Amino acid sequence: NAGVTQTPKFQVLKTGQSMTLQCAQDMNHNSMYWYRQDPGMGLRLIYYSASEGTTDKGEVPNGYNVSRLNKREFSLRLESAAPSQTSVYFCASSKTSGRADEQFFGPGTRLTVL
Amino acid sequence: RKEVEQDPGPFNVPEGATVAFNCTYSNSASQSFFWYRQDCRKEPKLLMSVYSSGNEDGRFTAQLNRASQYISLLIRDSKLSDSATYLCVGQNSGYALNFGKGTSLLVTP
Repeated sequence: NAGVTQTPKFQVLKTGQSMTLQCAQDMNHNSMYWYRQDPGMGLRLIYYSASEGTTDKGEVPNGYNVSRLNKREFSLRLESAAPSQTSVYFCASSKTSGRADEQFFGPGTRLTVL
Repeated sequence: RKEVEQDPGPFNVPEGATVAFNCTYSNSASQSFFWYRQDCRKEPKLLMSVYSSGNEDGRFTAQLNRASQYISLLIRDSKLSDSATYLCVGQNSGYALNFGKGTSLLVTP
C-alpha cells in the first residue's frame, strides 16, 4: 500500500498562474484533508471532505477550491496563485472524520509563488 | 492566538537523557489529544494518542490534565533518532485537528 500520495512534489508558479495539487489514498478512508504548513504557523486546515461527495471549508480556505473526485482522490486548486500561497501543502486522510481517528499524511508539495 | 500552544524549543539534550514537553490548550471543549512527530522536511506521523488516564508506549509517556488544560510528553533514554519536531494536537468534536506549532528536539551524541 502506498498510503497517501501527492503530486507534484515541488512546483514554482508565477503570480496569477493556476494549478491543481493532486492527492490519492489507497486505504479506503472516508475522510480527506488539505493543510498548509508555514514557518512559525504550524499546520492549518484549508478544506476537508468528510465523505465522498462532501467538502467543507477549514481555517484558511480563501484562494483555494477543492474537488473530491471519488473516494480515493481529493484535489486542491489554486485559481490565481499569490506569493502568500507559498507554502508546503499536505494532504491527509482518515477512516472517518470522527473523534480520535488517526490522520495519515502524504509527503507534501512544496510550492513557491514568485 | 492558537488553540494549542507549545514551547518551540529547541531542546538540545544528550543521548540517554530524559526530556519533557508541555503544551496547553485553550478550548475546554477539546475532546481528544495526540502527539505527532515530524522529521525535517517530512510529513507528520502519529506518535501516540493521549488518554485522560495517561498512557505509555515504550520510552514515551503522555499525560493529559484537563483541569489545567495541558498535555505532556516524556521521552526517556533519548536516542539520536528521536531528533525531530513534536506536534501537540487537539481535536474538538468532528474533524478539526488543531496543531501546535511544534517543539524541536535535538539529541546529541
